Amino acid sequence: DIVMTQSPDSLAVSLGERATINCKSSQSVLYRSNNKNYLAWYQQKPGQPPKLLIYWASTRESGVPDRFSGSGSGTDFTLTISSLQAEDVAVYYCQQYYSTPFFGQGTKLEIK
Amino acid sequence: VQLVESGGGVVQPGRSLRLSCAASGFTFSTYGMYWVRQAPGKGLEWVAVISYDGSKKYYVDSVKGRFTISRDNSKNTLYLQMNSLRAEDRAVYYCAKGHWQGDYVPFDYWGQGTLVTVSS
Repeated sequence: DIVMTQSPDSLAVSLGERATINCKSSQSVLYRSNNKNYLAWYQQKPGQPPKLLIYWASTRESGVPDRFSGSGSGTDFTLTISSLQAEDVAVYYCQQYYSTPFFGQGTKLEIK
Repeated sequence: VQLVESGGGVVQPGRSLRLSCAASGFTFSTYGMYWVRQAPGKGLEWVAVISYDGSKKYYVDSVKGRFTISRDNSKNTLYLQMNSLRAEDRAVYYCAKGHWQGDYVPFDYWGQGTLVTVSS
């Protein structure tokens, strides 16, 4: 199994500032034959199901604001929110879908 | 797209429960479907996946031999039969749709979830 580890577990950022969440996989999720990273990011607000934000490590899902971006390759990935808005308060999860789709433990993002 | 789970409730340890997920708004028979659970205050745990035609099924180790995922494409419905339930199975269970065809893909739509409580 590919284990996903996120850091930090929680994060407080001021409105308008940048938020960065990291995700590390226990083995590479880069599929060499198509040069794609099998990594997704989700946002979960309180009392709601998760929402897909990004897949292929950096492709934004339709309708997701462009302040959300994903980067990284192989085993190390980052979700960046360029200018934090109040509505971005949530728990964020990374997930690999290279094999059985395990999630990271989540990162709770709050307003400072 | 709409996914509506049902069948959750309170059940004693060792008993069984069957969850259902009614799908609409897309061609159900062409997408893999997933069950994901979330224990109270905890993170997300993938539970099971079934291919678009039901020919392939995979499970997380903790539920192998106890849970069975199935689907009825004529009824646009996904199921999770849960046997020999344990206290640690207590969670909100979500069904989710695969973003495209394939065994392992991201999940683009989720239901609102149904709560399963295992308690004597």
